[in-house]
Amino acid sequence: DAGITQSPRHKVTETGTPVTLRCHQTENHRYMYWYRQDPGHGLRLIHYSYGVKDTDKGEVSDGYSVSRSKTEDFLLTLESATSSQTSVYFCAISARGGIRTDTQYFGPGTRLTVL
Amino acid sequence: GESVGLHLPTLSVQEGDNSIINCAYSNSASDYFIWYKQESGKGPQFIIDIRSNMDKRQGQRVTVLLNKTVKHLSLQIAATQPGDSAVYFCAEKEYSTLTFGKGTMLLVSP
Repeated sequence: DAGITQSPRHKVTETGTPVTLRCHQTENHRYMYWYRQDPGHGLRLIHYSYGVKDTDKGEVSDGYSVSRSKTEDFLLTLESATSSQTSVYFCAISARGGIRTDTQYFGPGTRLTVL
Repeated sequence: GESVGLHLPTLSVQEGDNSIINCAYSNSASDYFIWYKQESGKGPQFIIDIRSNMDKRQGQRVTVLLNKTVKHLSLQIAATQPGDSAVYFCAEKEYSTLTFGKGTMLLVSP
């Protein structure tokens, strides 16, 4: 998984609780991404980061926030989890981004269930 | 939760056959394309990529063909093996982001 770990790998939580997912990379790549994957949809971008403290929204950012205080860590927070956020979440990294975006490498995923 | 592989188009082949998986992309301005393989319960794994200034690129047992005229991408897997069973999807780079297809499930029987 290209030096990418995600934690936790599985989580069950209740509606209304805050949840934080962590992505950690050892590749020193500048760009990091959070996606969600649901049946019937391709991977959909939630947020991405183009450097420490530099983040931007993706296609499905509502209800999510992110933070990146170190190159190697990118956190995804669900401030108040809802059942519609039940999904598999993937972190990805790439060496280049913007108009020079190239291959993104993915972590193993976190399966989140919101009851 | 429901597997991401359910409700996907499926290609069933015999071990040793050649497999061809197709992908139609949407944006004629897309200039970079990637094929990923995703096994059940795992993250997507990079297979091969191609830039829009190329028509064909070969890797180990895999070939990607790009037809920009009809906005079509294909992945050919030679001598398909049971370990190739997975969901395969393409991604296209539109400006600064990647857009991912929903994928095709490849089932390889011995």
